[in-house]
Amino acid sequence: DVMMTQSPLSLSVTLGQPASISCRSSHSLLYSDGNTYFYWFHQRPGQSPRRLIYKVSNRDSGVPDRFSGSGSGTDFTLKISRVEAEDVGVYYCMQGSHWPPGYTFGQGTKLEIK
Amino acid sequence: EVQLGESGGDFINPGGSLRLSCVASGFTFINAWMSWVRQAPGKGLEWVGRIKGEIDGGTTEYAAPVKGRFTISRDDSRDMVFLQMDSLESDDTAVYYCTTEGQHWGRGTQVTVSS
Repeated sequence: DVMMTQSPLSLSVTLGQPASISCRSSHSLLYSDGNTYFYWFHQRPGQSPRRLIYKVSNRDSGVPDRFSGSGSGTDFTLKISRVEAEDVGVYYCMQGSHWPPGYTFGQGTKLEIK
Repeated sequence: EVQLGESGGDFINPGGSLRLSCVASGFTFINAWMSWVRQAPGKGLEWVGRIKGEIDGGTTEYAAPVKGRFTISRDDSRDMVFLQMDSLESDDTAVYYCTTEGQHWGRGTQVTVSS
């Protein structure tokens, strides 16, 4: 089964500084239709998850442009150009290219403000 | 505005059954693919299963830990999706979210399985 591995698992960042989270898949996420079904989510404490990025690099509506996604195949990155206080919480990557096992999340990366 | 609202969570004994509901609004539900995702206390997100829209046959897929015990169904006349959970185990304790394949999420409903 495909496995998603995030790093780091925790991140402490000064306000205004950049942050980067990596997600590695055990199998290529390039699907037969040419798409790569890879996503990033953010979950603030006590809240539901919110999707930030779909298909590697597309920002969802309302997501600030300080968030960007990149990568291909098995290696993906979420970058925050300048961390703001509202960015705290846990970030998850997720794949949707391999069925079964179905949608598979990474373990999560907890971001806090230094 | 898309809204999803889960209900039906409860405290239940191991081996019991529970049916969760999710009502949707703000989008064309009949062709929407809907998933359930859960989150155990202090843990990460885990996909449970999904149901495709009517135009795609309304077929279902499940994660290995729940296959054979959980069943997802939908009622397009009421814009609702359901999660029938049987043979519940303590490891099923979690907040259960309904989601439009990750784009939109409900607030979740708590399921606690314990004797």
